[in-house]
Amino acid sequence: EIVLTQSPGTLSLSPGERATLSCRASQSVSSSYLAWYQQKPGQAPRLLIYGPSSRASGIPDRFSGSGSGTDFTLTISRLEPEDFAVYYCQQYGSSQLTFGGGTRVEIK
Amino acid sequence: QVQLVQSGAEVKKPGASVKLSCKTSGYSFINYYMYWVRQAPGQGLEWMGVIDPRGGSTSFAQKFQGRVTMTRDTSTRTVYMELSSLRSEDTAVYYCARGVYDSSGYYLDIFDMWGLGTLVTVSS
Repeated sequence: EIVLTQSPGTLSLSPGERATLSCRASQSVSSSYLAWYQQKPGQAPRLLIYGPSSRASGIPDRFSGSGSGTDFTLTISRLEPEDFAVYYCQQYGSSQLTFGGGTRVEIK
Repeated sequence: QVQLVQSGAEVKKPGASVKLSCKTSGYSFINYYMYWVRQAPGQGLEWMGVIDPRGGSTSFAQKFQGRVTMTRDTSTRTVYMELSSLRSEDTAVYYCARGVYDSSGYYLDIFDMWGLGTLVTVSS
């Protein structure tokens, strides 16, 4: 099973700042099949990015994804108030799908 | 519009089983795999398994092999997930989630539509 490690655990930033979230895999993710989700309290996750740089439908362009192999990044160019949430990465390059432990982006 | 409507909260004793449902509408039921993902209180997301509604084939996370069953009823467009031998660590919100076709028509094991989740509490 591919283990995904997200860092940092918590990111404290102000609105308007840039957020950079990391997801590192224990082995290479096939075809860069890596996705990112956003989850707010009491809600189901929302798909943001996949493949690893394609935005899902309706996702604003301040969200971008990059990376390959074992290292992937989600960047939020300028944080909006609604972006403060928990973010998860997920690999789908193997039949055993796995998620990272999450990064909380909180208001500083 | 696409809807995934999950069954209501459950309280179970250790050792019991629970069967959850996810009723779908608004899309072609047999053309999209359905996945189950759970989230323990204050914890991250955990993939449990997937069912192909067309033929009923399933694939499970190794952690749940032997303890989970997934079935579907095409007449009611509903998928079911049954988890047996429940223990306190199974207390979680259980989500059903639908997969995605990319722009080339290739199917991806990622999730663009989710149910609201069903809270299962396991307690003596």
